[in-house]
Amino acid sequence: EADIYQTPRYLVIGTGKKITLECSQTMGHDKMYWYQQDPGMELHLIHYSYGVNSTEKGDLSSESTVSRIRTEHFPLTLESARPSHTSQYLCASSRTAERELGGELFFGEGSRLTVL
Amino acid sequence: GEDVEQSLFLSVREGDSSVINCTYTDSSSTYLYWYKQEPGAGLQLLTYIFSNMDMKQDQRLTVLLNKKDKHLSLRIADTQTGDSAIYFCAERWNSGYSTLTFGKGTMLLVSP
Repeated sequence: EADIYQTPRYLVIGTGKKITLECSQTMGHDKMYWYQQDPGMELHLIHYSYGVNSTEKGDLSSESTVSRIRTEHFPLTLESARPSHTSQYLCASSRTAERELGGELFFGEGSRLTVL
Repeated sequence: GEDVEQSLFLSVREGDSSVINCTYTDSSSTYLYWYKQEPGAGLQLLTYIFSNMDMKQDQRLTVLLNKKDKHLSLRIADTQTGDSAIYFCAERWNSGYSTLTFGKGTMLLVSP
């Protein structure tokens, strides 16, 4: 069972508010990821991190920012939320390993954000 | 660049077999995965296959890989209503720094 947790699970906020989605994992994984999931199911990688103090932008441009100060924690922040940010946000983590089944992603349960 | 394609929807009756298909474009992919997403939840790894394998069976699940055609399939035997979910195919290069590329997902609906 994966030990990766996201909070809040559901959030409804007004336009212009600052929000932070929390993600924590207790598996000691060095790599962490944020995906945005369309209502149509497609997953888009928006941020990832190789380890502490490392953050990279993903395939889909996003107005959100991330930080990685501790190995286990990878929060995502929206400074000023807009209705276009309404989506499901999924956090994931993995080991950096090539020869074993490395690269397998463990996902959190997701944070569903609605911006009114 | 990599691209992973899946059919969007599959409907089967309980007890039948389900086959979900996926095609990928990157011949250097060495790891191929199937993930399952139940409503309101994150993705869960179902099974995986290394690119030097043709087939892998795990209880009701059978994965077939055709490297020549870059085609991957997931067969679920004796499909149950609890198998209703979205199934994602994903590929990864043989690099510790590469990320997974996911397909758009196939919604499987199992009717009683």
